[in-house]
Amino acid sequence: ELKVEQNPLFLSMQEGKNYTIYCNYSTTSDRLYWYRQDPGKSLESLFVLLSNGAVKQEGRLMASLDTKARLSTLHITAAVHDLSATYFCAAQRGSQGNLIFGKGTKLSVKP
Amino acid sequence: DAGVIQSPRHEVTEMGQEVTLRCKPISGHNSLFWYRQTMMRGLELLIYFNNNVPIDDSGMPEDRFSAKMPNASFSTLKIQPSEPRDSAVYFCAARGIGNTIYFGEGSWLTVV
Repeated sequence: ELKVEQNPLFLSMQEGKNYTIYCNYSTTSDRLYWYRQDPGKSLESLFVLLSNGAVKQEGRLMASLDTKARLSTLHITAAVHDLSATYFCAAQRGSQGNLIFGKGTKLSVKP
Repeated sequence: DAGVIQSPRHEVTEMGQEVTLRCKPISGHNSLFWYRQTMMRGLELLIYFNNNVPIDDSGMPEDRFSAKMPNASFSTLKIQPSEPRDSAVYFCAARGIGNTIYFGEGSWLTVV
C-alpha cells in the first residue's frame, strides 16, 4: 500500500528565510505532485515530477525528486508572507493511477 | 483549477436527506477523481474513473455513497441517506494535459 508522509506538519518562518518541506513515500511511485491550498479554497497544482533527479522551480519554490530514496522536497527561498498556505505532496502509482496525499504542511510566514 | 466545475458549491441539508454532488470535468481528460477533505482525515480518495469506468471505489465509506459517470462530461456523487459525519468538502479532480491533475472548487457539505 502506498503511503505518503510529510514533515513538518506545521512550519512558522520569518520572511527572508529558507526552509525545506520533506515528502517520503513508501513504495514505488510513478509521479510526485505538489499542491498549494489556501484556507477555504481548492488545491492549486504547483509541480509534477516525473523522473528521478527531476527538479522544477517556480519563483521562490523549487521541488525535487529522488526516486531511489523515495523522497521529494519542496524548498522555499527567501520566504514572503504570500507563501503562507498549506502545501500537499501526493504520490501516484501508474500513469493513470490515483493520488495518495500526505497530511499537508501548514506554512506561516511572519514579518 | 479552471475547467473542473462542481455544483453545488455549498449545501446544508438535514440528516436523512439525499445529497447529489455534480462535476463537469475539463474536456480531453481521461481520469476523474472524487476526494473528500476533513480536518481529521485529510484528503481521502473516494473513487476514481478512467475513461468513464470506475477503477477503484475502495475509498467509498459505505453503501450510502454511490458515484456515476454516465459520459465523459459529467459525474455525480450521491449520499443517501446523509449523516452528520458526512460533513466535509468534496472535491472532484480530472487529469488534463501534461499529467497535471486539476481540482474543482469543491462542494462544501454540512449535514445537520
